[in-house]
Parts: sequence; C-alpha cells; structure tokens
Amino acid sequence: KNEVEQSPQNLTAQEGEFITINCSYSVGISALHWLQQHPGGGIVSLFMLSSGKKKHGRLIATINIQEKHSSLHITASHPRDSAVYICAVSPGYGQNFVFGPGTRLSVLP
Amino acid sequence: DVKVTQSSRYLVKRTGEKVFLECVQDMDHENMFWYRQDPGLGLRLIYFSYDVKMKEKGDIPEGYSVSREKKERFSLILESASTNQTSMYLCASTSPNTEAFFGQGTRLTVV
Repeated sequence: KNEVEQSPQNLTAQEGEFITINCSYSVGISALHWLQQHPGGGIVSLFMLSSGKKKHGRLIATINIQEKHSSLHITASHPRDSAVYICAVSPGYGQNFVFGPGTRLSVLP
Repeated sequence: DVKVTQSSRYLVKRTGEKVFLECVQDMDHENMFWYRQDPGLGLRLIYFSYDVKMKEKGDIPEGYSVSREKKERFSLILESASTNQTSMYLCASTSPNTEAFFGQGTRLTVV
C-alpha cells in the first residue's frame, strides 16, 4: 500500500464545473503540500497545510489530520486548470517528501 | 520572482560524458533535493541535502553524485552519462514549515 494515495487518477470536467481531488496518507506528517504541474512544465506549489483550510483564488485546500485526508477543490474550473495535481507530505524536518501518484485533470471548454 | 533556478532547460549529452546540473535558490533554504521524473514512475529522489556539505542518498543514487559547497547551490553530477539517465530532472528546496519550491526542470537527453 502506497503511503500517499490520490483519487481519482484521471478526471475530465467541463468548464465551470466544481472539482474535487482527494488525498489520503498513512504516515505521520508535519505538513501536506498540493502541487501543480502543467504538461511539459515545472512543478508549482499551490498550498502547504498543517491544519484546517486555505483558499487562494478559485482553489481551496482542506486537511483533516485525524482522518489523514486532504482535499483540493477547484471552483468554476477553466481549461487552464488542466494539469497534474500532486499531493505530497513532509514527514518531518530534513526528510524527503512522499509524493502521491498525481491526478491528471482535463478541463474541456 | 524566480526562486529556484536550474542551469539548463534542455540538455543533450553523449554517452560517457560527465554532466553537471546546477540548481540555485535564493530563499536561504536548508533543504535541497534532486529528483528525476519519468512517465509512469512519478518523482523519484536521487539525493538530498539538509545543510551545506551534507548529503543523503535518495531512492536511486546509482550513477549520480552531488555537491553542496554553498547553501544556495546544489549540483547534480552524472559521472558517466548513460542512455537510461535520459529524463526530466527537477530540483527543489524547502525549509521547515515552508512551501516547497521547484525549479523549472532540465530535460536531459543522453545519446
């Protein structure tokens, strides 16, 4: 069993739809990160969470530490949101990230 | 407002060449990482460093070495490039309780 799992693996949505990507993890963490990678592009950090909820524009990220679960929501999705979204956890100081397998999102116009 | 810079976006090298990939960050981060990313395999850690002159092997260190002589710079060295090292290489940096910042990636092709 992978330490960080994501669902769904692939997601196709119509422009304007509300999107949710889920992440569950089995290790103790100091923080959870949501990352975005556009095709052929580098990786951009969207959020770092250790508790609660964060919002940035149309993106919202939540984390439930007790349930070891996080969600990334995209409101009013747009084709430029098409990318791979990666959940990663930081087990602690000086330690590597543990990455989820990624969710490939396609938003159709 | 670039925070993590990798020296090359695209690189083509011949088998057997010694290859240097440079990564520089301007955020005074302690931790720096080198990953390779391959289709279907995700991000795999090659080496990381949590302080100057400190280095730790990751999951796939074979065929690679690293150097961290200054806090802001973390270099990945392919001692003798081989075709199976053709990949996208990504550098990242972070400190405790900070976001992770990634470089734009270096797509290396070994011919």
